[in-house]
Amino acid sequence: DGGITQSPKYLFRKEGQNVTLSCEQNLNHDAMYWYRQDPGQGLRLIYYSQIVNDFQKGDIAEGYSVSREKKESFPLTVTSAQKNPTAFYLCASSSWTGEETQYFGPGTRLLVL
Amino acid sequence: SQQGEEDPQALSIQEGENATMNCSYKTSINNLQWYRQNSGRGLVHLILIRSNEREKHSGRLRVTLDTSKKSSSLLITASRAADTASYFCATEGGGGFKTIFGAGTRLFVKA
Repeated sequence: DGGITQSPKYLFRKEGQNVTLSCEQNLNHDAMYWYRQDPGQGLRLIYYSQIVNDFQKGDIAEGYSVSREKKESFPLTVTSAQKNPTAFYLCASSSWTGEETQYFGPGTRLLVL
Repeated sequence: SQQGEEDPQALSIQEGENATMNCSYKTSINNLQWYRQNSGRGLVHLILIRSNEREKHSGRLRVTLDTSKKSSSLLITASRAADTASYFCATEGGGGFKTIFGAGTRLFVKA
């Protein structure tokens, strides 16, 4: 089956710790995205990547970092600089053809201990 | 700033009734999309309507777009309890690949 997977489903972070959220897609999509969703809110864009080895900051990139070494993978690291990381994190992908429909993974819920 | 804003924020209806959600946006767009999110899950794409289209149907869904008013509506007919979810409109944020999501309408369909 084609789709996007995210792991883990739940992640706990201790103070001062960096944690990495995984996102993998087998849809052969060029573009990938990371969003943050707070309770009862919409999605806010953290980072996006249009092509391998290239990525751009979204609206709330501070305290986060990403890499795009492979087309299929777009991991997100929540660094210790992110003071309020508790949220639901969603990864998405879309094709390069100009069709803007995004396909989402199931999400990772990050909690701070 | 948010491009799309949904109205109402929450909607509670009985099974079998129709549900209408509205979305307003601020700048010119090439298309507008509606997504659905079940609690604690990822978003699922429902329908995309282009700026040169006025209405689009998909099963029990009907989407309209009024570019002069910069607004769109999503109508779910004959609602079912399984339609309970949050519904988001999404528009381009400029720069091609940025999509901006509104805060969503939470729909609750009572059986």
